[in-house]
Amino acid sequence: DVKVTQSSRYLVKRTGEKVFLECVQDMDHENMFWYRQDPGLGLRLIYFSYDVKMKEKGDIPEGYSVSREKKERFSLILESASTNQTSMYLCASSTQGVYNSPLHFGNGTRLTVT
Amino acid sequence: KNEVEQSPQNLTAQEGEFITINCSYSVGISALHWLQQHPGGGIVSLFMLSSGKKKHGRLIATINIQEKHSSLHITASHPRDSAVYICAVRPYTGTASKLTFGTGTRLQVTL
Repeated sequence: DVKVTQSSRYLVKRTGEKVFLECVQDMDHENMFWYRQDPGLGLRLIYFSYDVKMKEKGDIPEGYSVSREKKERFSLILESASTNQTSMYLCASSTQGVYNSPLHFGNGTRLTVT
Repeated sequence: KNEVEQSPQNLTAQEGEFITINCSYSVGISALHWLQQHPGGGIVSLFMLSSGKKKHGRLIATINIQEKHSSLHITASHPRDSAVYICAVRPYTGTASKLTFGTGTRLQVTL
């Protein structure tokens, strides 16, 4: 089974801190994604990457950046955390070989910014 | 108007009941996904379909491309089915990897 591991389940940070959310997948998937999930809004795509060092902005990239130095690892960076970034963050991966390949999700990181 | 609408938003059922969750979308799609999210956050992919019907255990997913509508059915529901069920579509436009998500249907199955 594909395993997507997010480094933290719960995280509490202060406003202005730099925050790193890490995601690792073990199935050699080309595509990796970062979503945030808020009540009533569903999952929204922040960034995705289709290859090492490649990234594309999703629907809500403002205030975030990403890093993909190795194929298995995709990091989400909050340069200066703000309270409106309090949310559930979900990482996902999929293979590029199949056009409609399923997404495999991590367990999520619930981030609180105070 | 959201591109993907789910109904109902919340659903309570007794164990053993037949459950239907609906998903309507407004754009042309290449595939539709049904996902399950348990309390705690992790999301599991249940089905991916582009036509017809798929079945896995007590779960059945159907899609009508002409009507832009999909349903997820749960037969003989059980408390362990309690979760949020999310519909997501892959539009024809945009990149192959991007999905548009509904806001989910929260299901609670009681004894």
